[in-house]
Amino acid sequence: DVKVTQSSRYLVKRTGEKVFLECVQDMDHENMFWYRQDPGLGLRLIYFSYDVKMKEKGDIPEGYSVSREKKERFSLILESASTNQTSMYLCASSGGQGNSPLHFGNGTRLTVT
Amino acid sequence: GENVEQHPSTLSVQEGDSAVIKCTYSDSASNYFPWYKQELGKRPQLIIDIRSNVGEKKDQRIAVTLNKTAKHFSLHITETQPEDSAVYFCAAKGTGFQKLVFGTGTRLLVSP
Repeated sequence: DVKVTQSSRYLVKRTGEKVFLECVQDMDHENMFWYRQDPGLGLRLIYFSYDVKMKEKGDIPEGYSVSREKKERFSLILESASTNQTSMYLCASSGGQGNSPLHFGNGTRLTVT
Repeated sequence: GENVEQHPSTLSVQEGDSAVIKCTYSDSASNYFPWYKQELGKRPQLIIDIRSNVGEKKDQRIAVTLNKTAKHFSLHITETQPEDSAVYFCAAKGTGFQKLVFGTGTRLLVSP
């Protein structure tokens, strides 16, 4: 069974802090994604990566960056956290180049005060 | 880019009734339409998907239909049970590599 692990379930940070959200998958998947989930807005794609050291902007990349130094790990970085980045962050992975299902992590609920 | 609209935002039914959730998409090139279920406090999980060369797909009590001409697809749940209560997300794969666009979600509540 695919396991996608996010390092923190809950995180509280102050405005202006640099924040790292970590995600690790154990199925040797090529593709990894970061989504943000907000009530009434669904799941919105922030960044994704289809290979090590590769990254692509999603629909809402502003204020975020990512890092993928190893195939199994995909990090989301908030360079200077702001209150409007308070949200649930979901990492996901998928294999292959076709229409493979996304496997999600349990999410990190980030609160920026 | 692709835009997916999902309705209704909330749906309340009695146990045993049917539930239908509808989605429309904008990119006529989209060819893959999955549905995810997210129970309270848990991760979204794929429950069924359909590709553009198929009009309907069934899996026990759930089914998905696709109308490519009208650019809409729907999730049908028959004989609903309390454990069907969850948020359901539709999605469409637009242009680009593995980039799914999700709808805004439907909160389904099944009352005993």
